[in-house]
Amino acid sequence: QQQVKQSPQSLIVQKGGIPIINCAYENTAFDYFPWYQQFPGKGPALLIAIRPDVSEKKEGRFTISFNKSAKQFSLHIMDSQPGDSATYFCAASNPLSNDYKLSFGAGTTVTVRA
Amino acid sequence: GAVVSQHPSRVICKSGTSVKIECRSLDFQATTMFWYRQFPKQSLMLMATSNEGSKATYEQGVEKDKFLINHASLTLSTLTVTSAHPEDSSFYICSARTVSGQNFYEQYFGPGTRLTVT
Repeated sequence: QQQVKQSPQSLIVQKGGIPIINCAYENTAFDYFPWYQQFPGKGPALLIAIRPDVSEKKEGRFTISFNKSAKQFSLHIMDSQPGDSATYFCAASNPLSNDYKLSFGAGTTVTVRA
Repeated sequence: GAVVSQHPSRVICKSGTSVKIECRSLDFQATTMFWYRQFPKQSLMLMATSNEGSKATYEQGVEKDKFLINHASLTLSTLTVTSAHPEDSSFYICSARTVSGQNFYEQYFGPGTRLTVT
């Protein structure tokens, strides 16, 4: 049973477009929500993360929007570039669980066309 | 900072043999390390959590006698796949976390190890 539901499974945008990936969760004990970027054959790399005490966080071209009441959070990639083509995973961590284990979404494959 | 390495990056072994994968935190002390496996076009599946000096905690369905984990120091954890079979072929990824500093929530991932069992 996946604790974090991620959509869409894949999406294609033109260069300069804004891919948006959505995630939803049920466990209200989650209090840390990171996004990871993974290129084929590589390990995931932490992109950006948010805690529930803020509704938005920006780092460069990446923005997380967080809606605590709806239990949803999303990643926006501004001015997307072909180099952003990768698989993106959202995740959530519950401090009450052992060692802050991460629950991952299923992943979204983003393709940015030149 | 926060670099995690894995060795080897790729390994091919014969069915029935054992393979050891190393995970090292290069510039921080990793009190907790995690091991994941990932099948093509799928998400990461947590296999086990290990704390330095303690026995690993395995996720439900993961055979502890098949996937031996040792976290002997604050910078090194190893995963040994014993008596490997073709169905063990997968991409194995480790991550590390530290309890110190303000980034204690964060997990830093290694580059992964591609295991192929023939």
